Amino acid sequence: GENVEQHPSTLSVQEGDSAVIKCTYSDSASNYFPWYKQELGKGPQLIIDIRSNVGEKKDQRIAVTLNKTAKHFSLHITETQPEDSAVYFCAAFRNNNDMRFGAGTRLTVKP
Amino acid sequence: DAGVTQSPTHLIKTRGQQVTLRCSPKSGHDTVSWYQQALGQGPQFIFQYYEEEERQRGNFPDRFSGHQFPNYSSELNVNALLLGDSALYLCASRWGRDTEAFFGQGTRLTVV
Repeated sequence: GENVEQHPSTLSVQEGDSAVIKCTYSDSASNYFPWYKQELGKGPQLIIDIRSNVGEKKDQRIAVTLNKTAKHFSLHITETQPEDSAVYFCAAFRNNNDMRFGAGTRLTVKP
Repeated sequence: DAGVTQSPTHLIKTRGQQVTLRCSPKSGHDTVSWYQQALGQGPQFIFQYYEEEERQRGNFPDRFSGHQFPNYSSELNVNALLLGDSALYLCASRWGRDTEAFFGQGTRLTVV
């Protein structure tokens, strides 16, 4: 089955710096890659996603890139703010299957 | 428009007991998936329901079972609870095979 690996497990940046989180997946049939943000005591919230026919997608300060050949995708957050502090999860999805998640990255943005 | 709602928010059970968790999907969604999230880990897929049938299942024992009702709401049942079942149980809904999934706030289950 699908295996998703996520790095780093923790990331600390200074406010205003950029943060990058990377994930790799094993199932070449995976075709949808969402990123979720989870704050303490809450369920995961979808922040951005990318489909396999697209190489990059951007939404304001957040961007995701996908390299299908290498089977990895990354989340980029620019101009980080303290409210970006949370746990971020990547996931991979395949038709007729469900999402498989990475182990998560705890991002801390220091003011 | 209410998003995905789960009940209860917290629950404490004793080993060996049975528990039922509930989920109401986002309006317009007909597919419900359940996940178990242990502390410090990513969500693990339990199963998915569509048209009142279990469509897909992850690597969870038969102690975990579910149901979907005609109004698309869903229940997760866990029998013979173990200490290791303590986790946050998340429900996510989507429309059909469309992939964008929305999560509820979860039910925190503690088994003592």
